[in-house]
Amino acid sequence: DGGITQSPKYLFRKEGQNVTLSCEQNLNHDAMYWYRQDPGQGLRLIYYSQIVNDFQKGDIAEGYSVSREKKESFPLTVTSAQKNPTAFYLCASSIDRSLGYTFGSGTRLTVV
Amino acid sequence: EDQVTQSPEALRLQEGESSSLNCSYTVSGLRGLFWYRQDPGKGPEFLFTLYSAGEEKEKERLKATLTKKESFLHITAPKPEDSATYLCAVQALGTDKLIFGTGTRLQVFP
Repeated sequence: DGGITQSPKYLFRKEGQNVTLSCEQNLNHDAMYWYRQDPGQGLRLIYYSQIVNDFQKGDIAEGYSVSREKKESFPLTVTSAQKNPTAFYLCASSIDRSLGYTFGSGTRLTVV
Repeated sequence: EDQVTQSPEALRLQEGESSSLNCSYTVSGLRGLFWYRQDPGKGPEFLFTLYSAGEEKEKERLKATLTKKESFLHITAPKPEDSATYLCAVQALGTDKLIFGTGTRLQVFP
């Protein structure tokens, strides 16, 4: 079955550490997105990519980095510069925005 | 500034008790309005896209409607399995991103 796979489901980060969240899709979608979800807030866009080797900053890109070397993969790195990284991270893809996004199952990141 | 406001924040219904969720939006030009369902600890699941005032879409017990300033998600005779958080999002003309509301958490009791 086609879909988006995010891993790991749970991730713990120590202070000063960089961590990378994986997002893989086999839907042949061109566009991929990373959102952050915090309690009481709407999903906020971190980065997005419309094609391979190209990506744009979203509303809250500071402290995050991405790459898009393959169509299927869009990993997100949470760097030590991100001061409040504890959140639920969602990856999504779309082939046609009118059909909405397909979301992964999310990664819950906690700072310990 | 483009903005989405959902109300109520939480809604408790008895099984079979119909109700509506509201999504008010401010956007420079609407390209599309989206409804998603999200279960705890999972990613949102796409439900509907609406494009223009007067448009309606239905899926099982759900019906989404759109006016120039708001959208309603009507739930008819809900069942406990309809319990979830319902998210509304808008996309403005000329942009690639969705702006999400904070959601309505729906609980349906048997």
